[in-house]
Amino acid sequence: EAQVTQNPRYLITVTGKKLTVTCSQNMNHEYMSWYRQDPGLGLRQIYYSMNVEVTDKGDVPEGYKVSRKEKRNFPLILESPSPNQTSLYFCASSLGQGMYFGPGTRLTVL
Amino acid sequence: KQEVTQIPAALSVPEGENLVLNCSFTDSAIYNLQWFRQDPGKGLTSLLLIQSSQREQTSGRLNASLDKSSGRSTLYIAASQPGDSATYLCRIQGAQKLVFGQGTRLTINP
Repeated sequence: EAQVTQNPRYLITVTGKKLTVTCSQNMNHEYMSWYRQDPGLGLRQIYYSMNVEVTDKGDVPEGYKVSRKEKRNFPLILESPSPNQTSLYFCASSLGQGMYFGPGTRLTVL
Repeated sequence: KQEVTQIPAALSVPEGENLVLNCSFTDSAIYNLQWFRQDPGKGLTSLLLIQSSQREQTSGRLNASLDKSSGRSTLYIAASQPGDSATYLCRIQGAQKLVFGQGTRLTINP
């Protein structure tokens, strides 16, 4: 089954404690991206990757890092999370024929 | 910079009615446009994808149209049902960038 998986689905953490949200797709897609969704602000792109070892900033990259060492995985790293990064995060992948989204990760930073 | 607008932000209609959701965009140089639905707290489910060379796509009770020259897309829902209640988002893909509208929250009243 074609899918995008994210882990964890829910995470509560404290300010400054490094965390990683994993994203994996099994469709051999080249393009992967991360979004955050906040009430009243819609979906905003954090980072995207056109292929392995090729990443670029989206609209709201501050406070986030990503890596793309293999095609299937695109982890999102928060080196020092802050409360303003409390949000619902989505990973997505595509091959030019539409996007597939993961189920979302609800992150709360206290 | 591409801007995507969805009006209205919220819509409530009685069950059985036909309805139209709107998506407008400022830059007509797009590769494709995709409509999604999102249930509260959940991920995005793809509904219809229209390539830039196409005028419309249909799936069941849904029909999406695309008019690049006027920067508009519409999502037509026929014979609406309570299960159609969700937030509907449109997404534009241009060169490397994907931009989402803020969505229309649709409520179908039994």
